[in-house]
Amino acid sequence: QKEVEQNSGPLSVPEGAIASLNCTYSDRGSQSFFWYRQYSGKSPELIMSIYSNGDKEDGRFTAQLNKASQYVSLLIRDSQPSDSATYLCAVRDNYGQNFVFGPGTRLSVLP
Amino acid sequence: KAGVTQTPRYLIKTRGQQVTLSCSPISGHRSVSWYQQTPGQGLQFLFEYFSETQRNKGNFPGRFSGRQFSNSRSEMNVSTLELGDSALYLCASSFVAAAPGGPRRTDTQYFGPGTRLTVL
Repeated sequence: QKEVEQNSGPLSVPEGAIASLNCTYSDRGSQSFFWYRQYSGKSPELIMSIYSNGDKEDGRFTAQLNKASQYVSLLIRDSQPSDSATYLCAVRDNYGQNFVFGPGTRLSVLP
Repeated sequence: KAGVTQTPRYLIKTRGQQVTLSCSPISGHRSVSWYQQTPGQGLQFLFEYFSETQRNKGNFPGRFSGRQFSNSRSEMNVSTLELGDSALYLCASSFVAAAPGGPRRTDTQYFGPGTRLTVL
């Protein structure tokens, strides 16, 4: 059973701080990694995708991937109250082509 | 471009009934995936269709079925509803690109607003 794990939170950070969200996965064959944001009562929306080891930056968001450690993270710099949401980590392999989602981490950014 | 649409948005059914949910993908997207989201289990993959064929299937009982039409619209059916089927059902559409080994769904999925199913 392929698994994706996340700390469910809530993770609380003050406005302006860096929020760090972590995700581990069990399937070494995983090739594609995604972070989705889901506001309460809304559907998930894609924030970042990452495929290679290292960092990928997009505005205030940085995704980090370490395939050897089977670990992917999302950093949110200068956190804003509008970043308060549940962040879902998703992993996809090249064989099943299915997406496996983690349980999500609830982030609360305090003004 | 219009986004992914799902109908109905809310449904209340009783145990033993069946239900059909509909999803219209973004224009030009041929892949539709269905997910079930519950507080306890999170977001779980049900199945994926493109070109009117089921391409992948998650670990759900046979009561859950789907189909896709030639215009890429998809329906999901759940028969003999159980209390545990109460959930948010999400569909996601993706673009399918030509690839050397055959058509391949691109990674970016766009989710619809979901159908909230309550089984009493």
